[in-house]
Amino acid sequence: QITLKESGPTLVKPTQTLTLTCTFSGFSLSTSGVGVGWIRQPPGKALEWLALIYWDDDKRYRPSLKSRLTITKDTSKNQVVLTMTNMGPVDTATYFCAHIISYGNWFDPWGQGTQVTVSS
Amino acid sequence: QSVLTQPPSVSGAPGQRVTISCTGSSSNIGARYDVHWYQQLPGTAPKLLIYDNFNRPSGVPDRFSGSKSGTSASLAITGLQAEDEADYYCQSYDSSLNDYVFGTGTKVTVL
Repeated sequence: QITLKESGPTLVKPTQTLTLTCTFSGFSLSTSGVGVGWIRQPPGKALEWLALIYWDDDKRYRPSLKSRLTITKDTSKNQVVLTMTNMGPVDTATYFCAHIISYGNWFDPWGQGTQVTVSS
Repeated sequence: QSVLTQPPSVSGAPGQRVTISCTGSSSNIGARYDVHWYQQLPGTAPKLLIYDNFNRPSGVPDRFSGSKSGTSASLAITGLQAEDEADYYCQSYDSSLNDYVFGTGTKVTVL
């Protein structure tokens, strides 16, 4: 059974850097074809893909946010870390991580999500 | 702003059939990228409902079905139940944006 769980701060100040960790079980990021993605959802709005990383360290970023995002993996800890610099109020959202397979571009399953508020 | 457009809301009485459209373009759905559908119950994470246009993961009732044609896709729910009240999102890949794009979302209300 695959499970993922997001962790990180619930409140960050404008201009600060957000660091979120996705801790997973039931699969390994050293297995061919496996990946983890990050998706966010502002309050009352639609889902928005942010980044993903595959087993071979292939990294993909949302083009409009690429300069602010970094995704890394720690295979030994079963963790994926997302950092987002220069946070602003528009980045207030629930952030989800999810499992993905390289031969298909769907996300399944998802973590429960972690709510991040950007406010001074 | 999403490049996949869905109706903001659809509604139906218990037992009825409702459909949700997902309209894209030649750089995503029309480029033969597959469409996936997610159900998001209130206050919870999205759950995969349909993958690769019409496939149901194990455990998803056959009341849910997906289809794709041209630059659009559809999700149908037959025999609507109260527990189907949720937000539904389509998702695909856009080759011009290099983006895993989600739809605008549709709220399904069971009357």
